Amino acid sequence: DVKVTQSSRYLVKRTGEKVFLECVQDMDHENMFWYRQDPGLGLRLIYFSYDVKMKEKGDIPEGYSVSREKKERFSLILESASTNQTSMYLCASSGGSEDSTGDQETQYFGPGTRLLVL
Amino acid sequence: GNSVTQMEGPVTLSEEAFLTINCTYTATGYPSLFWYVQYPGEGLQLLLKATKADDKGSNKGFEATYRKETTSFHLEKGSVQVSDSAVYFCALSANSQGGSEKLVFGKGTKLTVNP
Repeated sequence: DVKVTQSSRYLVKRTGEKVFLECVQDMDHENMFWYRQDPGLGLRLIYFSYDVKMKEKGDIPEGYSVSREKKERFSLILESASTNQTSMYLCASSGGSEDSTGDQETQYFGPGTRLLVL
Repeated sequence: GNSVTQMEGPVTLSEEAFLTINCTYTATGYPSLFWYVQYPGEGLQLLLKATKADDKGSNKGFEATYRKETTSFHLEKGSVQVSDSAVYFCALSANSQGGSEKLVFGKGTKLTVNP
């Protein structure tokens, strides 16, 4: 069974703190994604990675950075958290070698991390 | 550019009613089309997909047909259940500059089914 896990379901941080959100997938997928989900705005892509140490900006990268040192792990970093970064953060993965689970296009999502910045 | 427009909710239905959630898209090339579902407190999960024109995706009684001529991928179910209450997202695949596939999502439609 495909699995994407996120380090926390709920997180409360203070303005100015550095925040790390971790995502791990066990499907040997090449691609990993970070989204934020806000009411009325749907899902917006922050960053994605198509290989270890490779990354591309999504639609709203400002205020965020990412790290992918290992294939299975993709971290989202808020360098200095602000109240407008209060949101639900969703990680996803897709695309693997022929013997990995899932097809190439379908993204598999983690349960999400609900972040509150005070 | 690529975009997805889906009907705004919320949608409230009685159990056993017929469901349609409209989705239209704008895309270059021939994207694959998806419906994802998000149950309360969970992440998104794939409901169904279609990869080329006239393909029909189906799962759990839900269906959607890839209509290239109308650039649509409407979601339908003949008889909804209370357990179908969730948020539904339409999405299309798009190639990034690096060549990997990324998804473009609609804003989501919240469905509530009452007993």
